[in-house]
Amino acid sequence: GDSVTQMEGPVTLSEEAFLTINCTYTATGYPSLFWYVQYPGEGLQLLLKATKADDKGSNKGFEATYRKETTSFHLEKGSVQVSDSAVYFCALRRAQGGSQGNLIFGKGTKLSVKP
Amino acid sequence: DTAVSQTPKYLVTQMGNDKSIKCEQNLGHDTMYWYKQDSKKFLKIMFSYNNKELIINETVPNRFSPKSPDKAHLNLHINSLELGDSAVYFCASSQDRFRGTEAFFGQGTRLTVV
Repeated sequence: GDSVTQMEGPVTLSEEAFLTINCTYTATGYPSLFWYVQYPGEGLQLLLKATKADDKGSNKGFEATYRKETTSFHLEKGSVQVSDSAVYFCALRRAQGGSQGNLIFGKGTKLSVKP
Repeated sequence: DTAVSQTPKYLVTQMGNDKSIKCEQNLGHDTMYWYKQDSKKFLKIMFSYNNKELIINETVPNRFSPKSPDKAHLNLHINSLELGDSAVYFCASSQDRFRGTEAFFGQGTRLTVV
């Protein structure tokens, strides 16, 4: 079945450091890929998405590129801030009926940014 | 205006009780979901509704029953609560179930069974 694998956390960085959170997926066909962010005590918010190979999603300084050849969608940010501390989820969705149309999430990666 | 709202935000109850969580979306979306997030932050789909019809019921105990009175509402009723039901439950909605469509999440309901 479909699945998403993220790097294990927690990830601890100093402010202004470079961030990479790895995400790889297994799915039939051409899923859309998403990154969601969950701040403490809140629900999930869409951070960015990409719907086809080589698409780059970007938002708030975060970027991720849909790499079909490596089935990856790694999240990057050039300079993190304390306010970026949160849990980040990679997810995919296929355009199929039944359960295959659901969003499938990775296990989440907790990021802590220190001043 | 809150796009997806759920109530209550916190729910503490004893084992064996029956409880409900309500969810409403004002986005005009056709599809709504319930997700369960465990203590390790893992998110698992429980139910998916499209235009008030149940699309998928994952391997969830039948003590959990979703009810959708209209496409803007999806409530979750839980019978005979167990300790293992303690988790954060998220309601979400999306325009449809096609590949490019993102989901919008509520703030979550933290359920604690004692």
